[in-house]
Amino acid sequence: AQSVAQPEDQVNVAEGNPLTVKCTYSVSGNPYLFWYVQYPNRGLQFLLKYITGDNLVKGSYGFEAEFNKSQTSFHLKKPSALVSDSALYFCAVRDRPGYSTLTFGKGTMLLVSP
Amino acid sequence: NAGVTQTPKFQVLKTGQSMTLQCAQDMNHNSMYWYRQDPGMGLRLIYYSASEGTTDKGEVPNGYNVSRLNKREFSLRLESAAPSQTSVYFCASSSQGWDTGELFFGEGSRLTVL
Repeated sequence: AQSVAQPEDQVNVAEGNPLTVKCTYSVSGNPYLFWYVQYPNRGLQFLLKYITGDNLVKGSYGFEAEFNKSQTSFHLKKPSALVSDSALYFCAVRDRPGYSTLTFGKGTMLLVSP
Repeated sequence: NAGVTQTPKFQVLKTGQSMTLQCAQDMNHNSMYWYRQDPGMGLRLIYYSASEGTTDKGEVPNGYNVSRLNKREFSLRLESAAPSQTSVYFCASSSQGWDTGELFFGEGSRLTVL
């Protein structure tokens, strides 16, 4: 079965500093990986995805993610954090070829302090 | 631009009562999903419908039934609610294809079973 793991329940960073939210994956075959963000009392919003191609994927709101096959990781990054980036972040993997059913990680709360 | 609309947003039930969560999307998507979100567990797939006329079980289908009423609507029914079904329920939709995985989520329905 495909799975993702988010090793940190919470990440704290000061505004203006770079941020990283970690994700590792376990898949058979080629991984299709995603990041979603959830703001308080809202549904999840798509940030970015890796299907194939460049290992550095750019997404919404200045976020990017680095795919590393040898480390089976797909970490979310941003060069300069904003207070408004504070939210719950989910890594996900597509679990069936040809379908968009996703298996989500448990989520990482990002808190950006002023 | 309604996107994915869920009703109701909040509901309190007593053990054994039944209810239906409604979901509608206006993006002409083929696929629709029901997830539940519980603290520390991320999102787990309950049921999905890859296309109109089909439904399939996800990771946690027990205690639930679904109906894909038409292309726009996908309902989730709890026949006899249990306290373990206290959760936040999210409906999502997506276009269908090998490179998708971008899900569009509703804002959630918070269900409490006493």
